[in-house]
Amino acid sequence: NAGVTQTPKFQVLKTGQSMTLQCAQDMNHEYMSWYRQDPGMGLRLIHYSVGAGITDQGEVPNGYNVSRSTTEDFPLRLLSAAPSQTSVYFCASGLFKPQGTGELFFGEGSRLTVL
Amino acid sequence: AQTVTQSQPEMSVQEAETVTLSCTYDTSESDYYLFWYKQPPSRQMILVIRQEAYKQQNATENRFSVNFQKAAKSFSLKISDSQLGDAAMYFCAYRSRNTDKLIFGTGTRLQVFP
Repeated sequence: NAGVTQTPKFQVLKTGQSMTLQCAQDMNHEYMSWYRQDPGMGLRLIHYSVGAGITDQGEVPNGYNVSRSTTEDFPLRLLSAAPSQTSVYFCASGLFKPQGTGELFFGEGSRLTVL
Repeated sequence: AQTVTQSQPEMSVQEAETVTLSCTYDTSESDYYLFWYKQPPSRQMILVIRQEAYKQQNATENRFSVNFQKAAKSFSLKISDSQLGDAAMYFCAYRSRNTDKLIFGTGTRLQVFP
């Protein structure tokens, strides 16, 4: 019963390097999203997707790219990392046009440090 | 755009006592969900309780209950018989039925003292 799986859990990058945070879910959820968590600011939405081939920007999209080629996967790409992107990143998924409980299910988070 | 406000950055409570965490939100929509998530030091996001806007009855989950005031756009969380394991960050969140996005408040850190 995997739920939402994020990798890696920890990563240290140098300024200018690129990397991809992976997110996979096995609950057949249409809706997937990425958040970043910074002290005193809660969780802020970076990008989201309501289905394969469909993505849109959240509150803080600059510096990040996403794609959704399958229902299961929603990778987050940092093309040229900056120290301002040091944060904890969460992937979350749920049903589209929420029915029933309406909740989102979260991965365990990925701590990224950019030096 | 919808916003969620948690005005208490930190709260503390004695073990076995009751504490209430505040949350207000702003929206022009009539149909939405409200949630309280708990984040312990492990940083895992754990759903504590949910409320659907069209339901007038306040949600309860064991020691956790909410006071949902739709007209006032208020959604507070009451924790009864507090336990040491309740110590965590608590986030209030709003999810629109129209846009699917989940919007968070800035969180309240709850300390529980023995």
